[in-house]
Amino acid sequence: SQKIEQNSEALNIQEGKTATLTCNYTNYSPAYLQWYRQDPGRGPVFLLLIRENEKEKRKERLKVTFDTTLKQSLFHITASQPADSATYLCALDLVRAGGGADGLTFGKGTHLIIQP
Amino acid sequence: SAVISQKPSRDICQRGTSLTIQCQVDSQVTMMFWYRQQPGQSLTLIATANQGSEATYESGFVIDKFPISRPNLTFSTLTVSNMSPEDSSIYLCSVFNRGTTEAFFGQGTRLTVV
Repeated sequence: SQKIEQNSEALNIQEGKTATLTCNYTNYSPAYLQWYRQDPGRGPVFLLLIRENEKEKRKERLKVTFDTTLKQSLFHITASQPADSATYLCALDLVRAGGGADGLTFGKGTHLIIQP
Repeated sequence: SAVISQKPSRDICQRGTSLTIQCQVDSQVTMMFWYRQQPGQSLTLIATANQGSEATYESGFVIDKFPISRPNLTFSTLTVSNMSPEDSSIYLCSVFNRGTTEAFFGQGTRLTVV
């Protein structure tokens, strides 16, 4: 069955350092991979999308890499700030038999804590 | 982008009762999605709600337990029926922009069944 794995342990990073989060998947050939941020009591908010033919994507202090051979995506936050503390979710398109993707499949998320 | 309003934001319900969650989108969308997020778990897709047709349920979810309505292109409801404590979870409504492949979420409904 399709499976997405993210570090289940909370990640503690010192302010100003780079935080790196990992998303691994199995039994998938996704057309794209997405990262979302979720704050307590809120729904996820879209951050970045990277397509299968892209190696790297950047947006301000965020950088995402996508290695379809390793079946892995890395999510980096540079110059991290306490306001970056949240849970970060990796998501893949839900591939249905017969083609066509409806909805997304999410990892459990990694709780990131940026300490001042 | 899409703005999604979901209500109620939270509720505490007695076991055996039902709760209907409403989701309103500020634009017309073809597909709306309902997810469940149990404590410490990932979001799990319950069903896809299409306007004018029956909802499509994922494995492990059935219409009798989670009936869905989709009366128009901006609104949907999810009912959690005959609730048990195991149904305590956050329920999220979502829409999907096929052009940008970006999903938008409501703020969620935190349900506690006692």
